Amino acid sequence: NAGVMQNPRHLVRRRGQEARLRCSPMKGHSHVYWYRQLPEEGLKFMVYLQKENIIDESGMPKERFSAEFPKEGPSILRIQQVVRGDSAAYFCASSLGQSNQPQHFGDGTRLSIL
Amino acid sequence: AQSVTQLDSHVSVSEGTPVLLRCNYSSSYSPSLFWYVQHPNKGLQLLLKYTSAATLVKGINGFEAEFKKSETSFHLTKPSAHMSDAAEYFCVVRGNYGQNFVFGPGTRLSVLP
Repeated sequence: NAGVMQNPRHLVRRRGQEARLRCSPMKGHSHVYWYRQLPEEGLKFMVYLQKENIIDESGMPKERFSAEFPKEGPSILRIQQVVRGDSAAYFCASSLGQSNQPQHFGDGTRLSIL
Repeated sequence: AQSVTQLDSHVSVSEGTPVLLRCNYSSSYSPSLFWYVQHPNKGLQLLLKYTSAATLVKGINGFEAEFKKSETSFHLTKPSAHMSDAAEYFCVVRGNYGQNFVFGPGTRLSVLP
């Protein structure tokens, strides 16, 4: 499967724990995007990364959230000290660098906070 | 800066009738435009894209969209709706200098039997 791979598909955490969401982009893609989607709502942009660089993090909450896309390995979205309001579906997308190339999405990670 | 407006939050059509989902955009530069579909509990799937070639773009599942620069629109159409088309549809714009993708709020399409 050469698509965008996200894992885990479902993640359950208790309040105060850490959540780590992983995204492996499509082969050859060096741009990764993270989005959050609450039930019955649209996609909210969080962060846009290129290998080892954060290009746009204007949608990231100021505290507890961080993202990285290392030279080797998947992109990681990390949420520290999770709260009930963090419960959502988190989607990752990847693209080639050119502006006329679309994003390709993974199936998401559904995070539930107990 | 780019922005996207999807004029209808919800559209309901009968099976076999035409579909029209409206999208208007704002962009400082010649944009690339995309339509995505999201079925429940799934990720987004690319339907079609416009990237300054033909203004009428054909996509998957019988959908097409027409880029109209004078109206800054990129409406999505399908001649005959199928039950399986019921989903959320997102219009997306990106400028041609590598700017971020900007999503519209989405339009939920319901297809009635």
